[in-house]
Amino acid sequence: SAVISQKPSRDICQRGTSLTIQCQVDSQVTMMFWYRQQPGQSLTLIATANQGSEATYESGFVIDKFPISRPNLTFSTLTVSNMSPEDSSIYLCSVEGAEGEAYEQYFGPGTRLTVT
Amino acid sequence: GQSLEQPSEVTAVEGAIVQINCTYQTSGFYGLSWYQQHDGGAPTFLSYNALDGLEETGRFSSFLSRSDSYGYLLLQELQMKDSASYFCAVPDSSYKLIFGSGTRLLVRP
Repeated sequence: SAVISQKPSRDICQRGTSLTIQCQVDSQVTMMFWYRQQPGQSLTLIATANQGSEATYESGFVIDKFPISRPNLTFSTLTVSNMSPEDSSIYLCSVEGAEGEAYEQYFGPGTRLTVT
Repeated sequence: GQSLEQPSEVTAVEGAIVQINCTYQTSGFYGLSWYQQHDGGAPTFLSYNALDGLEETGRFSSFLSRSDSYGYLLLQELQMKDSASYFCAVPDSSYKLIFGSGTRLLVRP
């Protein structure tokens, strides 16, 4: 299974600022995913990031608010731009399984963001 | 669209057996996954059912009935460490996972 790290693990930010979250995988993967999870709630997919192409965003999420980079097969960043308190959440990255299975994903430990 | 429904909370006693149900409505169906997430932790993959029937992995089993659009996760010999949230999820044709609302399991001594 892939080992995934995220930075930062948590942060407290002021409204109007931006935060970039990094996701590093210990092996090369084709697809990386970014999720948002409110405490006690389910996971909501923000976007899918493939290396060498633009990220694909889910309904309700736009590139201007959540720009994503995927410079290589082991790394991705998610930026939360012009933050408001409503962006306070846990942000998780994940990757597909070793054989490219969509049903088995490995998750990073998450970034807990608080916007004041 | 896709939707998955689960009970919000289940409570059981240590050593008992508990079943967490998941009903789904999907435009296309490939299979049903289950994930466990402890408070403050990352979701971890537990099981996947592509075909009808029961899949057993140690104390955990997962069942699928495609005709009923229904599945469940069965946890046996419950331990305190099993207290966590459990999510069912379905993959779609775009390799995305759609997660259910989650069930919070509380195991009491």
